[in-house]
Amino acid sequence: AQTVTQSQPEMSVQEAETVTLSCTYDTSESDYYLFWYKQPPSRQMILVIRQEAYKQQNATENRFSVNFQKAAKSFSLKISDSQLGDAAMYFCAATYNNDMRFGAGTRLTVKP
Amino acid sequence: EADIYQTPRYLVIGTGKKITLECSQTMGHDKMYWYQQDPGMELHLIHYSYGVNSTEKGDLSSESTVSRIRTEHFPLTLESARPSHTSQYLCASSEGEYTDTQYFGPGTRLTVL
Repeated sequence: AQTVTQSQPEMSVQEAETVTLSCTYDTSESDYYLFWYKQPPSRQMILVIRQEAYKQQNATENRFSVNFQKAAKSFSLKISDSQLGDAAMYFCAATYNNDMRFGAGTRLTVKP
Repeated sequence: EADIYQTPRYLVIGTGKKITLECSQTMGHDKMYWYQQDPGMELHLIHYSYGVNSTEKGDLSSESTVSRIRTEHFPLTLESARPSHTSQYLCASSEGEYTDTQYFGPGTRLTVL
């Protein structure tokens, strides 16, 4: 079965510091896509960053970047210069064969 | 913000009632999805649609039903609500392939007494 695992239920970071959220996945497919979504309290879930498995280069979006290790099936999210507005639930997700699987989420707290 | 809407945002009802959760998107997306999410847990796909008159069940068994008569509208119906249906329901849409980004609605938090 295709699974996505986020081993950190909760993380905290000091404002302006860097934090890394972990995600591992399990698939036998060769073609798939990986996502990080952010769900702020009482607000809509939005896409943070997207990675295509066939691309070796790690995706980046401003302060957000990923460390994609295909052989290890690892897809971690790094948030640099953390801001108070980064506090949210973060979900890792993977799509393969018309199926999207989500991890259980990591709740990120940002301390001022 | 993505143009996808869900109503109601919060709903408290008694056991046995029939309810419909509404979801609409103005982006012209072909694919739409319903997820169930318990607090602090992952999302589970319960229904999806590839277009008008197309609906499929997801990986999580659900007693709900859906319809897709118009591209922009994807309502979810529970014929007889039970306390086990208490959860948050998220609607999402995407432009085309499963590899595309999904855009999520704000969710409906349902409580069945």
